[in-house]
Amino acid sequence: AQSVTQPDIHITVSEGASLELRCNYSYGATPYLFWYVQSPGQGLQLLLKYFSGDTLVQGIKGFEAEFKRSQSSFNLRKPSVHWSDAAEYFCAVGARNQGGKLIFGQGTELSVKP
Amino acid sequence: DADVTQTPRNRITKTGKRIMLECSQTKGHDRMYWYRQDPGLGLRLIYYSFDVKDINKGEISDGYSVSRQAQAKFSLSLESAIPNQTALYFCATSSLGAQETQYFGPGTRLLVL
Repeated sequence: AQSVTQPDIHITVSEGASLELRCNYSYGATPYLFWYVQSPGQGLQLLLKYFSGDTLVQGIKGFEAEFKRSQSSFNLRKPSVHWSDAAEYFCAVGARNQGGKLIFGQGTELSVKP
Repeated sequence: DADVTQTPRNRITKTGKRIMLECSQTKGHDRMYWYRQDPGLGLRLIYYSFDVKDINKGEISDGYSVSRQAQAKFSLSLESAIPNQTALYFCATSSLGAQETQYFGPGTRLLVL
């Protein structure tokens, strides 16, 4: 069955510290992978996406993610977290010829300590 | 102006009432989607539409119906609302050939009493 797992429901980091949010997927087809961010009271904003090519992708707000096919993972990273990064983060997976549908993970809530 | 808009943004209704949530987009996308978000469950797909004449059920369509009135408009209806339909509802759009990238509206928070 197709699925996306974000193992960490809630993470707290100090401002200025590095961040890594984990995402693992189970998908039969070659996946397209996404990270979205949802700030309180807001919709989902696309941070970055991977379709093919370079497995390290850069996104907005200083985020990056690395696709590791052997580990079925697409972890999100940021070298130095800012207080404004506090939000909920969602990993999602789709594929060509899958009807445009995305499967979302459960989300990881990020809190940032001053 | 926002590319994907949803109305209303917040709604309180009673069990058994019919309610409609509306979504409009100015992105010119052909595909539109309705999701619900529940804490700890992420987003789950309710219905999706590839064009005005193509509507498909998603993962959790029971208790919901949709209407694609035009390429730019996609409405979600709860024919007889029940409390477990209390959730945050999102509309999203994408374009064929754009590698499945979806763009989301701001959400509608629905409370069914």
